[in-house]
Amino acid sequence: EVVLTQSPGTLSLSPGERATLSCRASQSIASSSLAWYQQRPGQAPRLLIYGGAGRAAGIPDRFSGSGSGTDFILTISSLEPEDFAVYYCQQYQRSPGTFGQGTKLEFK
Amino acid sequence: QVQLMESGGGVVQPGGSLRLSCAASGFTFSTYAMHWVRQAPGSGLEWVALTSDDGNNGHYADSVKGRFTISRDNSNNRLFLQMDTLRPEDTAVYYCARPPAYYYGSDIYFDYWGQGTLVTVSS
Repeated sequence: EVVLTQSPGTLSLSPGERATLSCRASQSIASSSLAWYQQRPGQAPRLLIYGGAGRAAGIPDRFSGSGSGTDFILTISSLEPEDFAVYYCQQYQRSPGTFGQGTKLEFK
Repeated sequence: QVQLMESGGGVVQPGGSLRLSCAASGFTFSTYAMHWVRQAPGSGLEWVALTSDDGNNGHYADSVKGRFTISRDNSNNRLFLQMDTLRPEDTAVYYCARPPAYYYGSDIYFDYWGQGTLVTVSS
């Protein structure tokens, strides 16, 4: 099973700042097999990025994904108030698909 | 628009059973494999089970194999999860989730999720 480790556990930033969230895999995976989700309190996960860098329908272009091999990044270029939430990465190259433990993005 | 709505969660004693349901609408349900994913309190996400589009095939996480059974009713656009021999570690919010296209495998991402239903296993 592929283990995904996300860092930092909590990221404290202010609106307008740039956020960089990391996801490290225990073995190399194709960038085309990585997704990112946003989860607000009390809500279901929402797909942000698939295929490493493709934005899901309706996702603003301030969200971008990058990376390869074992290291992947979700970047939010300029934080909006609604972006403060928990973010999960998921690999789906190997079965079963597995998720990271999450990064909480909180107001500074 | 695509909607998934889970129901059937509740409190159950260890060793007990529960049946979850997920009502789907807004897409051709019978042409998609469907999944259950769970989230323990304060924890991350764990894939649980999937069923093929026709319901004839199922696949399970090792943690639930032999105790959980996934099924579906395509005539009524419903997905089910029968959970038997429940353990405290099964306590979680259970989500039904849809992949972006037909694909039978747990190595896929999900573009639609329901709001989840909470299962609590406690004496």
